Amino acid sequence: GNSVTQMEGPVTLSEEAFLTINCTYTATGYPSLFWYVQYPGEGLQLLLKATKADDKGSNKGFEATYRKETTSFHLEKGSVQVSDSAVYFCALYGSGNTGKLIFGQGTTLQVKP
Amino acid sequence: DADVTQTPRNRITKTGKRIMLECSQTKGHDRMYWYRQDPGLGLRLIYYSFDVKDINKGEISDGYSVSRQAQAKFSLSLESAIPNQTALYFCATSGDRGTVTLINEQFFGPGTRLTVL
Repeated sequence: GNSVTQMEGPVTLSEEAFLTINCTYTATGYPSLFWYVQYPGEGLQLLLKATKADDKGSNKGFEATYRKETTSFHLEKGSVQVSDSAVYFCALYGSGNTGKLIFGQGTTLQVKP
Repeated sequence: DADVTQTPRNRITKTGKRIMLECSQTKGHDRMYWYRQDPGLGLRLIYYSFDVKDINKGEISDGYSVSRQAQAKFSLSLESAIPNQTALYFCATSGDRGTVTLINEQFFGPGTRLTVL
């Protein structure tokens, strides 16, 4: 079945450091891939998405490229800020319109001043 | 105003009690979902509904039931709460018309923190 694996956290960085959060997936066909972010005390918000191989999703300085050859969708940001501290979830929506998102376990990012 | 609202935001209850969590949305979406979030496990799907007459079990539906009272309302019930149902519960919605991309994107409520003693 479909699954998503994220790197374990927490990830602790200093402000302006480079961020990578790894995400790999297992799926048949051509899933759509997403990163969601959860700020403290809030629900999840869509951060970025990619719907086909080699697509790059980007938003708020974050980027992720859909790599079908390595079944990966790693999240990157060149210079993190304290306000980026949150939990980040990688997710996939499988082909076939099952209506279900499959989430990774989440990675907590803490950015220190 | 928030597009997806959940009530209550926090609830503490005792083992064996019946609990209902409510979700309302003003996005006009047909599809609604209930998830629970546990530390280290991400979000797991409990139930989902593609329209008022279509309700489906997710991966962890045991101990839960749902009711889709209207297009905009989707309630989750715990008939007899137990401590391992202590978790953060999220409602989400998505549309079913337009491009595949629009169908895929889900919009989440702020969550309900439930504690079962």
